[in-house]
Amino acid sequence: KAGVTQTPRYLIKTRGQQVTLSCSPISGHRSVSWYQQTPGQGLQFLFEYFSETQRNKGNFPGRFSGRQFSNSRSEMNVSTLELGDSALYLCASNLSGRPANTGELFFGEGSRLTVL
Amino acid sequence: AQSVTQPDIHITVSEGASLELRCNYSYGATPYLFWYVQSPGQGLQLLLKYFSGDTLVQGIKGFEAEFKRSQSSFNLRKPSVHWSDAAEYFCAVGPGNTGFQKLVFGTGTRLLVSP
Repeated sequence: KAGVTQTPRYLIKTRGQQVTLSCSPISGHRSVSWYQQTPGQGLQFLFEYFSETQRNKGNFPGRFSGRQFSNSRSEMNVSTLELGDSALYLCASNLSGRPANTGELFFGEGSRLTVL
Repeated sequence: AQSVTQPDIHITVSEGASLELRCNYSYGATPYLFWYVQSPGQGLQLLLKYFSGDTLVQGIKGFEAEFKRSQSSFNLRKPSVHWSDAAEYFCAVGPGNTGFQKLVFGTGTRLLVSP
């Protein structure tokens, strides 16, 4: 069974540009969530999608957005990039969106974004 | 507000020695608690979880953790560390039965294993 796949794995952008990251969850998983990981702030929740609807959102500016498609694949977009957006962006999938019932979040290897 | 504290940023343990990583949480209701491990360049892998019941939970790779409500702690332990255990370990608390996946993570503890 394939795991969570994130693309691209590495990318470099300049300030002011925008970026789109993609996440393919484990087959059958309907919930996808995104986390930002930085050395200074650690792991922070961005948002979660379930059945194409955003169910929960973290404390990030509106430059950070996401969506989920009917096949559960998800994308996140960051517009007007700032230096501080440099981070590892992790996607996680879950069978039904209830980790208590399904046991765990399955994380991808992440997309490492560098903003110059 | 939910929060997780991992007081040790780095820990060095000799191979074969025992290990305990500390985790304290702040949460308004019954917490759902997790330990994840992250190897360099990798995503996070779940080691173990606590939802209810027996307060001593067993996980993968020989790890265990004990939930102590009175101390708001969920410390991770391993009786004998292997060099392959060198990684970063994250404790996390979840919102329980809401169906949401918003986990609050601690800042992590980097484990170094000396020969």
